[in-house]
Amino acid sequence: DGGITQSPKYLFRKEGQNVTLSCEQNLNHDAMYWYRQDPGQGLRLIYYSQIVNDFQKGDIAEGYSVSREKKESFPLTVTSAQKNPTAFYLCASGQGYTEAFFGQGTRLTVV
Amino acid sequence: DQQVKQNSPSLSVQEGRISILNCDYTNSMFDYFLWYKKYPAEGPTFLISISSIKDKNEDGRFTVFLNKSAKHLSLHIVPSQPGDSAVYFCAASRDDKIIFGKGTRLHILP
Repeated sequence: DGGITQSPKYLFRKEGQNVTLSCEQNLNHDAMYWYRQDPGQGLRLIYYSQIVNDFQKGDIAEGYSVSREKKESFPLTVTSAQKNPTAFYLCASGQGYTEAFFGQGTRLTVV
Repeated sequence: DQQVKQNSPSLSVQEGRISILNCDYTNSMFDYFLWYKKYPAEGPTFLISISSIKDKNEDGRFTVFLNKSAKHLSLHIVPSQPGDSAVYFCAASRDDKIIFGKGTRLHILP
């Protein structure tokens, strides 16, 4: 079945550590996105990529990094520079900008 | 600066009645508008969209209306069903980015 897979579903990180969230899609979509959801904030764009080996910062990119070495994969690294990393992270993919399909999300908690 | 605004954090509607969710935007360059539905701890799922060149799009119980002069769109759900209880996100796209509003939590009352 085609779709977007995020892993893991729950992730715990100690303060000061980097952590990488996985996002894989087999929909052959060119575009991939990372969003963060906090209560009362809706979905905020962290990074997005329209083609392989290229990506752009979204509205809240500070403390995050991404790579797009393959069309299918768009991992997000939450670095120790991110001051409030505890959140629900959503990855999406799309063809152009007419629709985005989302993964099931990863809930990251800093302990 | 919030470009896509959903000013009602929550909305309660009786089962069987019409639910109307509203969304305002500030950027006239948006060329596509979308609505997503989200259950807790899950990713949003696409509901319905509308191009900026249209003023209405209908899909079953869901209809989206676009008023470009007012920079306003709305999602109508009729009749409302218990499974419609969720958070609804309005989104707009331009320059290959999709920007979301904060969401409106819809409660369908028995």
